[in-house]
Amino acid sequence: DAKTTQPTSMDCAEGRAANLPCNHSTISGNEYVYWYRQIHSQGPQYIIHGLKNNETNEMASLIITEDRKSSTLILPHATLRDTAVYYCIVRVAYGNQFYFGTGTSLTVIP
Amino acid sequence: GAGVSQSPSNKVTEKGKDVELRCDPISGHTALYWYRQSLGQGLEFLIYFQGNSAPDKSGLPSDRFSAERTGGSVSTLTIQRTQQEDSAVYLCASSLTRQGIDGYTFGSGTRLTVV
Repeated sequence: DAKTTQPTSMDCAEGRAANLPCNHSTISGNEYVYWYRQIHSQGPQYIIHGLKNNETNEMASLIITEDRKSSTLILPHATLRDTAVYYCIVRVAYGNQFYFGTGTSLTVIP
Repeated sequence: GAGVSQSPSNKVTEKGKDVELRCDPISGHTALYWYRQSLGQGLEFLIYFQGNSAPDKSGLPSDRFSAERTGGSVSTLTIQRTQQEDSAVYLCASSLTRQGIDGYTFGSGTRLTVV
């Protein structure tokens, strides 16, 4: 599975959009981009995934560049409860596991 | 149930003892995974069950670790002769779709402390 690069940490003001970048320059054509988050002392939570097209659900939006070498997770109106570690993972559709790296620690500031 | 349930939530054991950790996946989920997370570290894959297929045990760190899944539902992770380096949060996840293509649902984990 392709390697991803994320900033170690980010801050975001409450109520503003949080934009979390992820680089995956070696992504293959059959690899999806997945995002999970882990709030302190809880198990990871699936957020969203996509292949080529931008995706949106009730939690977030995923913007994937046309060349698929990077993506951005957007939390449109960050709340204090969005403070968590966010993991960007690329994986083939039918892989046996997700490789969780170190992620981005997002802190939402009041 | 509504989510993935793990028990116990906390377990303290003496070095050398055996422990069993239990996972109840979401009803109807055919795929089940075990991961562990040491303090301040990322998640480490342990084992994957998919339906009646042979499990993928490639992540188990030693032969002291084993897992089974009975009746395609409940899973038990067993650690024999526990060592202090086994101290971690053990997380279970399940997915409805094969190999979690639509993402996993994780439980809250079992925090294992070996003293």
